[in-house]
Order: sequence, then structure tokens, then C-alpha cells
Amino acid sequence: AQSVTQLGSHVSVSEGALVLLRCNYSSSVPPYLFWYVQYPNQGLQLLLKYTTGATLVKGINGFEAEFKKSETSFHLTKPSAHMSDAAEYFCAVSKGNRDDKIIFGKGTRLHILP
Amino acid sequence: KAGVTQTPRYLIKTRGQQVTLSCSPISGHRSVSWYQQTPGQGLQFLFEYFSETQRNKGNFPGRFSGRQFSNSRSEMNVSTLELGDSALYLCASSLEGTQYFGPGTRLLVL
Repeated sequence: AQSVTQLGSHVSVSEGALVLLRCNYSSSVPPYLFWYVQYPNQGLQLLLKYTTGATLVKGINGFEAEFKKSETSFHLTKPSAHMSDAAEYFCAVSKGNRDDKIIFGKGTRLHILP
Repeated sequence: KAGVTQTPRYLIKTRGQQVTLSCSPISGHRSVSWYQQTPGQGLQFLFEYFSETQRNKGNFPGRFSGRQFSNSRSEMNVSTLELGDSALYLCASSLEGTQYFGPGTRLLVL
């Protein structure tokens, strides 16, 4: 069975500081991995995804994530936080084309301190 | 391409009533999934439809049901509403293993 663990339900960083949101997964097959962002009263927006190939994936809004198979991790980073990054972030895993069901983590709420 | 659309965006119902929510997927997407999101339980998977057939199902009571039409549009129905059904209901359509979400329908049960 697949699962996703997001470390920290709330993370606070200062504006301009590094953002690091942690995600670990378990999967019985090579996974597809995703990060989604949700702003208040909106749906989830795809930030980035890893399917195959290059393990460092760049997404929208300056975010990137690195797939580390040996650590079963897919942490999300951004070099410099902006106030507009305050939102909830969800990590997710799926089996890819073989099965469209996606398993989501519980989410991490990112707070940006002025 | 137009994104996933959900109607209505907001809904107020009373206990015991039923409600139907609609989701139009991105053109060409044949899979539609539904989720319930609440502050206490987070994002919970309801069910997934692919080519008019339910392919996956979450752990929700039978009061929650859905269907998909030949044009891939999907509806979900909740009968005999309870206060605890108040939530944001999200629909996502998917292609090649990636899900794209709509803006959600916020349901308030009084």
C-alpha cells in the first residue's frame, strides 16, 4: 500500500528565508510524486510533479523538489519565501498510469513571518 | 483548455435534505475523483469514476453516491444530510496519472 507522511502540520519561516517542507512516501512500485498548494477557499493547484527522469523537479512560483529514492523523500523547497507563499501544501503519491488513485498527505500549513 | 469546473460554488442545506453537486472535467480527461475536505479530517477520498464506472471508492457511508456521464461530467449526491457533512467538496479530473482540481463546492448543513 502507498502512503505519504508530511512532517509538521505547521511550518513558519521568515520572509526571504528558505522554505523546506518535508515529505516521505512509501510505495510498492516506482511512484509518481506531487506537490499541490491550496490557498484559502480554493481548490488544490498542482505545483510540480515527478514521474520519471531527472530527480530535481522545478515547479511554479519558484518551488522545486528532489526525488530521493534511497531516502523515500520528496521534500519541497524554495530559496526565498514570499508573503504570497502562505498556504497549505499537500504532498501526494500515486502509481502513475497504472492506477489514477492518488494518496495525499495530511498537509502542511506554511506561515510567512514579516 | 478550460479547467475543472464545479457547480454550485456555495450551498446551504438543512439536515435531512439531499444535495447534488456537479463537476465538469478538463476536456479529454476521462477520470473524475471526488474528495471531502474538513478542518478536522483533512482531505478524504470519496470515489473515482472512469468511463462511467466507479473504479475506486473511499470509506464513506452509502448516503454518498456518484455517477459519471458519457461526456465524463460527474455528479455526486449526498442524501439525508447531517451536520457533519458540512465541508468543501473537491472534484479532480486526471490524465496520465496527474490530477487537476476544481475550485470546490462549499456545503453548509444547518
